[in-house]
Amino acid sequence: NAGVTQTPKFRILKIGQSMTLQCTQDMNHNYMYWYRQDPGMGLKLIYYSVGAGITDKGEVPNGYNVSRSTTEDFPLRLELAAPSQTSVYFCASSFQTSGSRIIGHDEQFFGPGTRLTVL
Amino acid sequence: DAKTTQPPSMDCAEGRAANLPCNHSTISGNEYVYWYRQIHSQGPQYIIHGLKNNETNEMASLIITEDRKSSTLILPHATLRDTAVYYCIVRVVDNFNKFYFGSGTKLNVKP
Repeated sequence: NAGVTQTPKFRILKIGQSMTLQCTQDMNHNYMYWYRQDPGMGLKLIYYSVGAGITDKGEVPNGYNVSRSTTEDFPLRLELAAPSQTSVYFCASSFQTSGSRIIGHDEQFFGPGTRLTVL
Repeated sequence: DAKTTQPPSMDCAEGRAANLPCNHSTISGNEYVYWYRQIHSQGPQYIIHGLKNNETNEMASLIITEDRKSSTLILPHATLRDTAVYYCIVRVVDNFNKFYFGSGTKLNVKP
């Protein structure tokens, strides 16, 4: 299994451009997440999905959009890129069942990240 | 909202136990304590979690105080590869809007 893969690894955007960060997992996980990490800071949740066709906002969703048309893929769309979106973006996935939630188990598997710079 | 307080950095000698503290004084009864670590700039890695009992797995032990207001992650025999930022997180497993990673503790394992 490749686990969670993200493309691209690096990207430089100009202000106002748009792009899609790709995330794919091959572990048949039902939950997927997008985080951003600013320098020296912890991760902040942008969006998450509990299954195909279902998405919801996290802590910092403004300026981003997501879709989840398949179990495997969870792309993150940036519209009108701004310098404040310069960050490292991590995608993650986990397998949740009613049983795992009872015991609080939520092991999230993270991808290698995409380093985005907006100039 | 339960949030956590961790020291920004700690040092540990290789082969010794590393004890990483975390304060979560406003934790609610249904909130779990999770620990993740991030090595260099890689994606975070899950270590362990618990509700109120002490937990142990192949990576670490988690000690939660009886009042649940603080916890300690123990790496029994730290190696150089354990040098990382360690995040203590508290949340209800279904409440994704309250998944705060915080700034974590940078553990430096020294030879």
